[in-house]
Amino acid sequence: GAVVSQHPSWVICKSGTSVKIECRSLDFQATTMFWYRQFPKQSLMLMATSNEGSKATYEQGVEKDKFLINHASLTLSTLTVTSAHPEDSSFYICSASFSGRIRNTIYFGEGSWLTVV
Amino acid sequence: AQKVTQAQTEISVVEKEDVTLDCVYETRDTTYYLFWYKQPPSGELVFLIRRNSFDEQNEISGRYSWNFQKSTSSFNFTITASQVVDSAVYFCALSEVGTNAGKSTFGDGTTLTVKP
Repeated sequence: GAVVSQHPSWVICKSGTSVKIECRSLDFQATTMFWYRQFPKQSLMLMATSNEGSKATYEQGVEKDKFLINHASLTLSTLTVTSAHPEDSSFYICSASFSGRIRNTIYFGEGSWLTVV
Repeated sequence: AQKVTQAQTEISVVEKEDVTLDCVYETRDTTYYLFWYKQPPSGELVFLIRRNSFDEQNEISGRYSWNFQKSTSSFNFTITASQVVDSAVYFCALSEVGTNAGKSTFGDGTTLTVKP
């Protein structure tokens, strides 16, 4: 089963509205989560690093006021696309890093398709 | 800065052919992880393999095999006796360790089409 879960899987919203996407780590605590965006037929581009209890670190070119990231607990990070526009339509996917006693690994969520109409 | 290059944008083969997907990476880190993921049309990333930078052993898993050559910064992926179900986009990724553990840089992906 999924170790990192994203919700919703699909969302359609009207231009100008805001939409929230959740990323949950189900079986472990994730102090750090990552948000990626993928446009059609393109690669995954890192948007931001979400740190529990502190502000997110955004990659160059990503508008922090438009893509609000909140990492309020060790198992939940949320990405809110504010005042969405059609050009924000994309596939958004999160990942969480698990640091075990023996090894580290990365789990990706199932992704969320956002369509802004 | 990290960089991952997948030279092949698209590959088309006929079922049962072997196919190799190339991946070359750049990093200044001495410790890192390399990954291969499969992305079917539904979008989710399917984990295939993770390789630690200290482990240059090649790995075989069924029809899949990986060749990690640190000297040439390559991590190539071979599918033996390809099947139609192998059709997907394949991504090679480089991930940091330490304070940025999990932060990943992806290649542009290789779209593999296996024809019956």
